[in-house]
Amino acid sequence: GQNIDQPTEMTATEGAIVQINCTYQTSGFNGLFWYQQHAGEAPTFLSYNVLDGLEEKGRFSSFLSRSKGYSYLLLKELQMKDSASYLCAVMDSNYQLIWGAGTKLIIKP
Amino acid sequence: GAVVSQHPSRVICKSGTSVKIECRSLDFQATTMFWYRQFPKQSLMLMATSNEGSKATYEQGVEKDKFLINHASLTLSTLTVTSAHPEDSSFYICSARGGRADETQYFGPGTRLLVL
Repeated sequence: GQNIDQPTEMTATEGAIVQINCTYQTSGFNGLFWYQQHAGEAPTFLSYNVLDGLEEKGRFSSFLSRSKGYSYLLLKELQMKDSASYLCAVMDSNYQLIWGAGTKLIIKP
Repeated sequence: GAVVSQHPSRVICKSGTSVKIECRSLDFQATTMFWYRQFPKQSLMLMATSNEGSKATYEQGVEKDKFLINHASLTLSTLTVTSAHPEDSSFYICSARGGRADETQYFGPGTRLLVL
């Protein structure tokens, strides 16, 4: 079966760095997406990785290793507004998005 | 770019009535649109995928006669919840994607449905 694993919840301190991991087992791979979802709102797109390596976008970076079935989202200089759920999603061989359950990130002052 | 709107943002209705939710891509042509449902503190659940001009493909366990999807144009898809019941109360979110299958999905703001 297809499976996306990410931690249920993480806590970090304002100003610090946090890394949210995602491991996957899917039938085929056409890219991995990270979305941010604030409570009561719809997801917003953060990043897309299809090749191995690190993609940096301001305070957020996303890394992919296809051979290991592994990705992480790195958030630097954490701000209170970064408190949200972070969803990892993999596009399989049929171009369907397989969603992880999300990681709830709690930022403390 | 890549803005998706959804209307209404919130709806309260009586049990047995039907509710229509609209999803529009504002600045791109959405060849494919997706409808998701999300219950509190749970992950997104894909309900159906629709391609412009063709019938929607429903996920297993989703009743196509209850959740009617129409994708009549490249910028508009509608989801109608027919004969709504309290258990249909949920957060309904659409997303849209352009012509290529590997393109990013962009989400609408969601519609919160409460059936009394």
